[in-house]
Amino acid sequence: DQQVKQNSPSLSVQEGRISILNCDYTNSMFDYFLWYKKYPAEGPTFLISISSIKDKNEDGRFTVFLNKSAKHLSLHIVPSQPGDSAVYFCAAFLVGNQFYFGTGTSLTVIP
Amino acid sequence: GAGVSQSPRYKVAKRGQDVALRCDPISGHVSLFWYQQALGQGPEFLTYFQNEAQLDKSGLPSDRFFAERPEGSVSTLKIQRTQQEDSAVYLCASSLGSFGNTEAFFGQGTRLTVV
Repeated sequence: DQQVKQNSPSLSVQEGRISILNCDYTNSMFDYFLWYKKYPAEGPTFLISISSIKDKNEDGRFTVFLNKSAKHLSLHIVPSQPGDSAVYFCAAFLVGNQFYFGTGTSLTVIP
Repeated sequence: GAGVSQSPRYKVAKRGQDVALRCDPISGHVSLFWYQQALGQGPEFLTYFQNEAQLDKSGLPSDRFFAERPEGSVSTLKIQRTQQEDSAVYLCASSLGSFGNTEAFFGQGTRLTVV
C-alpha cells in the first residue's frame, strides 16, 4: 500500500529551465511533506519541507507547492542547474508516526 | 564530520550468516530511524527509536531483524540468518527532536549484498 507516489521515474530538463517534480499521496492526515535529494552512493539530503497548513514554501531556487484537495505536491526548481541532477524523493510525515517515501524521480539537467 | 555515520559502507554476507550494521547519529539527536532501500525503490521504514526506547518496530520484515540503541546514541541493526531478499541499502537517519521534528539527517547507508 503505497501512501506516497511519484509516478515519473525520470525527468530531463535543459539547464536554466524549470524542473517540476510531482508527488501524490493518499493519507489526508499527513502533517508535513518533505523533499529529499540523493546523489549516487550517498544518503538522502533534506531539501525543503512544507507544513500541511500551508500551500507554498520557497527557499532560493526551490519552491514546494501543496494542493491538499488534490493530495498533490510538487517541487519547482528554477533555474535548473547541472548540479541539481540527482534522484528526488518526496516524503510525508505523520506526527507520532514515521516518514513515508515515494519511489523517487531521477532528474537530469542537460547543460 | 558532524553528520550521521554508518558502518560498514559495504557488506557482503553469505546466505545464512548474521550481520550487524552500525549507526552513529548526530550527537544529541533524540530520534533515530532505520530504513531499507531496495534497488530502484524509495526507503522503506523499519524501526524508530526515541532515545533508547524502540517506539515503533512495525516495519521490521521478520523476526530475523533486530535493532537496539541501548544508551540512546549508537544504534545497531542486526540481521540473523541473512537471505538474498535482505540485499538492500540500509539507511539510518536521526533528528533532533521527538515527534513533530521534520528534518531527519541521513547517513550514507550500508549496502548489504547476500550471496
